[in-house]
Amino acid sequence: AQSVSQHNHHVILSEAASLELGCNYSYGGTVNLFWYVQYPGQHLQLLLKYFSGDPLVKGIKGFEAEFIKSKFSFNLRKPSVQWSDTAEYFCAIYGGATNKLIFGTGTLLAVQP
Amino acid sequence: EPEVTQTPSHQVTQMGQEVILRCVPISNHLYFYWYRQILGQKVEFLVSFYNNEISEKSEIFDDQFSVERPDGSNFTLKIRSTKLEDSAMYFCASMGTGGRNQPQHFGDGTRLSIL
Repeated sequence: AQSVSQHNHHVILSEAASLELGCNYSYGGTVNLFWYVQYPGQHLQLLLKYFSGDPLVKGIKGFEAEFIKSKFSFNLRKPSVQWSDTAEYFCAIYGGATNKLIFGTGTLLAVQP
Repeated sequence: EPEVTQTPSHQVTQMGQEVILRCVPISNHLYFYWYRQILGQKVEFLVSFYNNEISEKSEIFDDQFSVERPDGSNFTLKIRSTKLEDSAMYFCASMGTGGRNQPQHFGDGTRLSIL
């Protein structure tokens, strides 16, 4: 069965610290991978996506993610976080023929000023 | 940038009552979805809708649930007889054409509280 797991449920960092959030997936076919972010009180926004090509994907606000097929991973990184990055981050894949999103449990990131 | 809009933002309903959650997808999108997130749990797929019919539904989407696109702009989720365990955040999403190389765009969600 298709699934997504996120290892970190709650991460607390100081401003300027580096961030890496883990994401692993289980899916037998060609995979489409996403990171969504949900800022407090707002809707889910697409941070970045991987469909094919360069496995290092750059997204908005300085985020990037690397698709490592051999490890079934799609970790999210940012070299220097800001207080405004405080949010919940969701890793997701497309599953099935109808492009339903299968989400991980989410990681709540709190950045302290 | 076009947005998916959902109403109401918060709905409080007595158990056993019917509730309708409304969504206005992005205007040129053709694929529509409902997801829900119970407090403290992951976002779960409920149903996908294309060409005026359900294309896929999850185990959660039982006979108490239905979806409709009544007028070409709204996309609604109806829960016929609500249960306490239906309390959750419900998200609508839409996607344009172009196959799997398109992301989904989400609304702000409706928080449904069943008393």
